[in-house]
Amino acid sequence: EVQLVESGGGLVQPGTSLRLSCAASGFTLTDYAMHWVRQAPGKGLEWVSGISWNSDDIGYADSVKGRFTISRDNAKNSLYLQMDSLRAEDTALYFCARIPYSNDDNNYSYYYGVDVWGQGTTVTVSS
Amino acid sequence: DIQMTQSPSSVSASVGDRVTITCRASQGISSWLAWYQQKPGKAPKLLIDTASSLQSGVPSRFSGSGSGTDFTLTISRLQPEDFATYYCQQTYSFPFTFGPGTKVDIK
Repeated sequence: EVQLVESGGGLVQPGTSLRLSCAASGFTLTDYAMHWVRQAPGKGLEWVSGISWNSDDIGYADSVKGRFTISRDNAKNSLYLQMDSLRAEDTALYFCARIPYSNDDNNYSYYYGVDVWGQGTTVTVSS
Repeated sequence: DIQMTQSPSSVSASVGDRVTITCRASQGISSWLAWYQQKPGKAPKLLIDTASSLQSGVPSRFSGSGSGTDFTLTISRLQPEDFATYYCQQTYSFPFTFGPGTKVDIK
């Protein structure tokens, strides 16, 4: 069964750090880009960060750039999100997400929609 | 960064109605657009990617169209299980921004 399971969420104080993990199973991780998407309580979806299969292509939302770091360990079938200098506005449910991709003749990657989502892990930043 | 807008923000409809949701990108994204359905307390579900490619298992009453900057999601005959919030997302370039969502509720 294809599955993504997030962990590492919790209640932390502003200015502190947290590391989220996502364990992938049931598929070959290197066949996919992986992303983090969050959803604040009662709000819409916000794309946070994404990483290509080989970690060559990484992107961040402006709201987290310089504070969050995405990484992956394909040998461990895992995705990570290091979150530093946390703020109250980072409070959200964080989803791990799998994205299929394809490459053109110039090895440029094109990404499709998120076809598998985890159940999410909750991060609450509050004093 | 590419900004995504959706309209309407909410729509009240009845079972059997045709519902159309519009998504607009602030710059051209070719056909690199996905549509999702989300129900309360659940992770989103991918309905359509590359603007018009229906995902396996998604009912054929859902359809997507458009390219460049303007896109639509159409539900041809609304069913009770379709009441949810719908999001578009561009997958053309980082950051892969989502639209603000359209809530479809019961009239």
